[in-house]
Amino acid sequence: AQTVTQSQPEMSVQEAETVTLSCTYDTSESDYYLFWYKQPPSRQMILVIRQEAYKQQNATENRFSVNFQKAAKSFSLKISDSQLGDAAMYFCAYRSAYTYLTYKYIFGTGTRLKVLA
Amino acid sequence: EAGVTQSPTHLIKTRGQQATLRCSPISGHTSVYWYQQALGLGLQFLLWYDEGEERNRGNFPPRFSGRQFPNYSSELNVNALELEDSALYLCASSLVVAGVGEQYFGPGTRLTVT
Repeated sequence: AQTVTQSQPEMSVQEAETVTLSCTYDTSESDYYLFWYKQPPSRQMILVIRQEAYKQQNATENRFSVNFQKAAKSFSLKISDSQLGDAAMYFCAYRSAYTYLTYKYIFGTGTRLKVLA
Repeated sequence: EAGVTQSPTHLIKTRGQQATLRCSPISGHTSVYWYQQALGLGLQFLLWYDEGEERNRGNFPPRFSGRQFPNYSSELNVNALELEDSALYLCASSLVVAGVGEQYFGPGTRLTVT
């Protein structure tokens, strides 16, 4: 069975600085997707970034980028130029690429990010 | 385009009662997923509905059930409520085509059992 682990329950970053959130996962599958979701106090889960396992290039979305290490099963999120609006709970998630399993998202327990002014 | 909507926002019930939570997917999405987010536990997969059928369920007791209507909206029913059912319940929807289907989440229903 697949598992997703976020070992940092809480992180803090100074405004305008860079922070990296860690995520490791375990799977025997060769093809899958990895996601970072943001959940602000409003509770709405927002997709931040997605990475397809078959792509070697790390995904980037503006100030958000990932460091995907497939062999190490590591998927960290880097937030550059942190802003107050980045304060939220961040969840790492795994999803199989096999069609009959597309329902199944496996989430980590989350990392609460605090942004200090 | 309207996102996934859920109602009610908050729900307070007493132990032993039944709770009904509702979800409307994004227009055109045929799959609805339910997750339980208990404090400190991340999101746990509950149920998946697609085209009106229950396709799979997570490791939850049978008192967690639901259905999907012809318009693809869905409701989650929790019978014989227990204190540990207190959690945020999130609904997500997707349109799965050729094995690809991003899940988009609603704002959730906060269920409190006293």
